[in-house]
Amino acid sequence: DTAVSQTPKYLVTQMGNDKSIKCEQNLGHDTMYWYKQDSKKFLKIMFSYNNKELIINETVPNRFSPKSPDKAHLNLHINSLELGDSAVYFCASSQPDRLYNEQFFGPGTRLTVL
Amino acid sequence: AQSVSQHNHHVILSEAASLELGCNYSYGGTVNLFWYVQYPGQHLQLLLKYFSGDPLVKGIKGFEAEFIKSKFSFNLRKPSVQWSDTAEYFCAVSLLSGGYNKLIFGAGTRLAVHP
Repeated sequence: DTAVSQTPKYLVTQMGNDKSIKCEQNLGHDTMYWYKQDSKKFLKIMFSYNNKELIINETVPNRFSPKSPDKAHLNLHINSLELGDSAVYFCASSQPDRLYNEQFFGPGTRLTVL
Repeated sequence: AQSVSQHNHHVILSEAASLELGCNYSYGGTVNLFWYVQYPGQHLQLLLKYFSGDPLVKGIKGFEAEFIKSKFSFNLRKPSVQWSDTAEYFCAVSLLSGGYNKLIFGAGTRLAVHP
């Protein structure tokens, strides 16, 4: 069984379009994350939700809007896509406590903006 | 600001060579430390983690890492690498941020192992 799944795996689109990436976890975790991995493989957190509530919001443009309909899902909607949005987006989940934060990652969504 | 530094961006080794990848972090508080691996075209997988206790931790696939608090380091080692170890390796630090844990990743080290 897939623990953290993302759809789609690949997404190719034109500049200016709006697109969404979906993430689901079946681990029963309370916290979910979105990371962006750029072309140099640098991995940076974008957002985190705990039980549907936004808890981490790094300096990400307003065009990016996460939505968590329930604690097992965290979707990422991107408006007015730009060339610089091309990257691999990883979803992750964890069951946090103050001593432990192992995160489980999804397979990634490779977004290409033309 | 908190940061994680991985000194080697690209490492090329022959099979059976020994490996050591450096990782330093800048944060004075209590940290949890991780090494993740990303095989070509795949997602990140946890190699090993340190929370407390014995500073020498052993992970999967023969990897180990040593936490040296005085040096703010958490270097990854493997005595004899294999071709299948070719991957990107990420060091990460878990910090408390607003009451929640946040992972800060290093820039990654790309390891290429030649047969």
